[in-house]
Formats: sequence, C-alpha cells, structure tokens
Amino acid sequence: KQEVTQIPAALSVPEGENLVLNCSFTDSAIYNLQWFRQDPGKGLTSLLLIQSSQREQTSGRLNASLDKSSGRSTLYIAASQPGDSATYLCAVLNQAGTALIFGKGTTLSVSS
Amino acid sequence: DTEVTQTPKHLVMGMTNKKSLKCEQHMGHRAMYWYKQKAKKPPELMFVYSYEKLSINESVPSRFSPECPNSSLLNLHLHALQPEDSALYLCASEPIGGANEKLFFGSGTQLSVL
Repeated sequence: KQEVTQIPAALSVPEGENLVLNCSFTDSAIYNLQWFRQDPGKGLTSLLLIQSSQREQTSGRLNASLDKSSGRSTLYIAASQPGDSATYLCAVLNQAGTALIFGKGTTLSVSS
Repeated sequence: DTEVTQTPKHLVMGMTNKKSLKCEQHMGHRAMYWYKQKAKKPPELMFVYSYEKLSINESVPSRFSPECPNSSLLNLHLHALQPEDSALYLCASEPIGGANEKLFFGSGTQLSVL
C-alpha cells in the first residue's frame, strides 16, 4: 500500500528565505506526483505536476524535483513571501492510475 | 471557465436530515471526484466518476450517495449522517480519467452534522 510522508509537518521562516519541503513515498511505481497548496478551509490548488519520466518542473519561484527510484520529491520555494503561507500537500497517483494518495502536508508560515 | 464550483460553501444538518452537495464544472472534464477532508488531515478519496459512470467507491457508507446526472454535474446526497461525518467535502475534476493530468479542485463544502 502506497504511503506518502511529508517532512517537516510545520515550518516558520522570515520573509525572503529560500526553503525546501520534502516528500517521500514507499512505492516507486507511480504515474505522477503533484504538489498542491491549500489555504485554511479552502480547496486545493495544483502547483506543479511531475510526470514519472521527468526529473523536475518549475513555475515562477517554485521548483519541484522527483527522484522516483529513491521515492523522494522536494519542493523548493525561492525568496519566500508572506503570501506563501499555506499548507503544501504532496500527492502521488496510485498504481492503478485512478486516484491520488496524499501526504499530511507541511504548514508553512512566512513572517514579514 | 476554469473553475470547479461547489455549493453550498457551508452546511449544517441534523442526523435525520437529507441534504445534497453540488459540484459543477464546464471545462469538458470527463472524470470527477469526491474527497473528504477532516481538519488537519489530508484529503481521502470517496468516489470517482469516469464518463458519468461510477468507477471507484472507496468503501464509503451508504448514507453517502453520489450521482452524476451529466458530464458537468456531480452531486453527493446525504442522509442519516453521523457527527463524525463533519468535514470539508471537496470535489475535483480532470480532463480525462487516468494518469498525467492535473486535478482541479473546488473550494469545498464545510459540513457540520449536529
């Protein structure tokens, strides 16, 4: 059974810092991996999707990497801003390709 | 229109009530999902519809009844719920059922069962 773990559970940084969020998964036979952002009491916004054959994806200040063989992904946020404060969820598409398995998330707080 | 719209945003119901959650998208997506999210927990899959047919039911109790009347609309009918069913219910859609497509989520319905 696929399990997704995110470390750390919570992170507080001052504005302007670069930071890395970590995600690991137990079964390397994934179809893709997505990083989502969720604000309190709101839905999820897809930030980046990495296909199983890809190594990384970039969007603005965000860069996500994937090492499928070791079961790891990182989300790098450059020059963090208070508006980046949210919970970041990592999710992998299961073996059947039918649904995402989510990690518990990392709650980020960026202070001005 | 690139949104998944969920109504209502908030719902309070008693254990004997019957209510429905609605989800709508006009992006031509053919796969639609219901997820349940408890506070400070990740979303958990409930149901998947692919081309208006129920393809996955993750052993959800029968007091939750999904319905997909057409390719744009997904409902979740609620009956005789329990207080532990209180959660954020999220709807999502994607262009085609399967791999390598982003999921688009609605903003959710916050459900409280008294």
